[in-house]
Amino acid sequence: DIVMTQSPLSLPVTPGEPASISCRSSQSLLHSNGNTYLHWYLQKPGQSPQLLIYLVSNRASGVPDRFSGSGSGTDFTLKISRVEAEDVGVYYCMQGLQTPLTFGGGTKVEMK
Amino acid sequence: QVQLVESGGGLVEPGGSLRLSCAASNLSFRDSYVNWIRQAPGKGLEWVSYITDSGSAMKYADSVKGRFTLSWDNAKTSLFLQMNSLRAEDTAVYYCARDRRRGYGVFDYWGQGALVTVSS
Repeated sequence: DIVMTQSPLSLPVTPGEPASISCRSSQSLLHSNGNTYLHWYLQKPGQSPQLLIYLVSNRASGVPDRFSGSGSGTDFTLKISRVEAEDVGVYYCMQGLQTPLTFGGGTKVEMK
Repeated sequence: QVQLVESGGGLVEPGGSLRLSCAASNLSFRDSYVNWIRQAPGKGLEWVSYITDSGSAMKYADSVKGRFTLSWDNAKTSLFLQMNSLRAEDTAVYYCARDRRRGYGVFDYWGQGALVTVSS
């Protein structure tokens, strides 16, 4: 199974400041078709998870452009350019390269 | 309103069975894989299984293989997760989610979740 490791576990943030979350996979997520199957999800308090970023860097419909994803191979980053209060929650990276699909342990973003 | 709606959760004793349903409202499952993802209380997300839109293929996590079974209704508008031989560690909120990337984990719609509690 592909192991997904996120850091940090907890991220206190200040509104208006940038934030960054790292995700590492135990093997490359690059498929032979050229796609890299790394996605990001956000679970806001009391809600179901929602898709933020897919295929490393593509924002899902309705996701503000302050969110961006980058990386390749086994190392990936989610960045928020200027954190807003509505961004609090738990962020998960997930690999879609092979079953079992696996999630990182989550990064809890909360306001300072 | 576009949504997925899970139902069928509840309290069941260890060794018992439960069937969850996932129904689509104003949303198509055509050209999609439909997944179940669960979240134990206070824990992270765990992928459980998926089924193709045709029902021709299914995949399961090792933790549920042989105990959980996916199936479609005849119209392919509702998905069922039959859960047998339930264990305490199956206690979780179960989400269904649509994947338009056909197995590659891009879940664009999620349900609100159904709570399954396995306890005596």
